[in-house]
Amino acid sequence: NAGVTQTPKFQVLKTGQSMTLQCAQDMNHNSMYWYRQDPGMGLRLIYYSASEGTTDKGEVPNGYNVSRLNKREFSLRLESAAPSQTSVYFCASGGGGFFGPGTRLTVL
Amino acid sequence: GQQLNQSPQSMFIQEGEDVSMNCTSSSIFNTWLWYKQEPGEGPVLLIALYKAGELTSNGRLTAQFGITRKDSFLNISASIPSDVGIYFCAGRAASGSARQLTFGSGTQLTVLP
Repeated sequence: NAGVTQTPKFQVLKTGQSMTLQCAQDMNHNSMYWYRQDPGMGLRLIYYSASEGTTDKGEVPNGYNVSRLNKREFSLRLESAAPSQTSVYFCASGGGGFFGPGTRLTVL
Repeated sequence: GQQLNQSPQSMFIQEGEDVSMNCTSSSIFNTWLWYKQEPGEGPVLLIALYKAGELTSNGRLTAQFGITRKDSFLNISASIPSDVGIYFCAGRAASGSARQLTFGSGTQLTVLP
């Protein structure tokens, strides 16, 4: 039982590059979430998916897109990365928030 | 959007001391959650509270859901070195999206031997 897994763990991008962060959960949860964590600001919700086939914007969705591929997987895409998107990204699942280990992204 | 104020921002305490931290919100919440985050890891859920006045313990940790439904408290008794980390509160508002959590900015706890 792996819980919530995220790949990659670390990534460095140049401004304008694109990438997809992957997340998978094996707890059969309906809801999944993407957060970003910046120093002194706690966690802010980017997008969430209440169930397979649905996605909704959170507090800070600009510059991101998501795909709920199936019940297990929820990916986050940066189409054209910007330095302001340098952050630690966490995927979570379930109403109580079971978190993955995070992806540390730096945009130069 | 929702506002959550978490205090204190940081604490330095001696091993064996008790610790208290709290969160207040600008609106009524129907769920309060407390998490601990260690360096390089994701937050881990410690305690979940679902009813005003509820007092729940998890080992040396005790959390309370405030009667006004706008605040919550976390206490750690007899702190030990492995309590070091960042503690976050999170709440789910009684109105609006039922699935969105709002997080506090965290309390950085340092335990001195």
